Amino acid sequence: GDSVTQTEGPVTVSESESLIINCTYSATSIAYPNLFWYVRYPGEGLQLLLKVITAGQKGSSRGFEATYNKETTSFHLQKASVQESDSAVYYCALGIASSSFSKLVFGQGTSLSVVP
Amino acid sequence: EAAVTQSPRNKVTVTGGNVTLSCRQTNSHNYMYWYRQDTGHGLRLIHYSYGAGNLQIGDVPDGYKATRTTQEDFFLLLELASPSQTSLYFCASSDARTSGNTLYFGEGSRLIVV
Repeated sequence: GDSVTQTEGPVTVSESESLIINCTYSATSIAYPNLFWYVRYPGEGLQLLLKVITAGQKGSSRGFEATYNKETTSFHLQKASVQESDSAVYYCALGIASSSFSKLVFGQGTSLSVVP
Repeated sequence: EAAVTQSPRNKVTVTGGNVTLSCRQTNSHNYMYWYRQDTGHGLRLIHYSYGAGNLQIGDVPDGYKATRTTQEDFFLLLELASPSQTSLYFCASSDARTSGNTLYFGEGSRLIVV
């Protein structure tokens, strides 16, 4: 089936350090899924961080970047310099859509704490 | 941006109890979803719907019913709640025609079954 695996948390990083959260996927029901990163800040719902729908393309938002790599089936999230306000849970997801349905399959989430 | 509102935000019930979680979205999206989020599992899809009166079974439907009464409203029903249903529940909506798979989420409903 379709699945997403991401870096096991929790992850603790010092402020201004770089970050990478790994995400790999397996898509059996669709050849070219859309790929997403969502973020959930404490006490809030999930919100879209970035989305890439074309293999080989890079998405970016709020200093975060992720490149859709179909060869390695990966969509790693990176940031060059994290801030305390980046502390949150990050979810990688793949989107499956056809003429009759549309849904997201999520990874298990990676909890990030950025410390001063 | 889509607005998705869930209620209640927090609920405690006893084993065997009856619980209804409500979700309303105000952007006329066609798809609505119920997910549960548990540590180590991420978000798992319970049920979803692509319009009023429609219901699709998700990946973890056992013990849950759902009903989409209008374009805006999607309810999750636990008729005989069990401790294994203690979880954080998220409702989401999307419009496949305009935003593809992008989901817009509510703030979550935390349910505890004792």
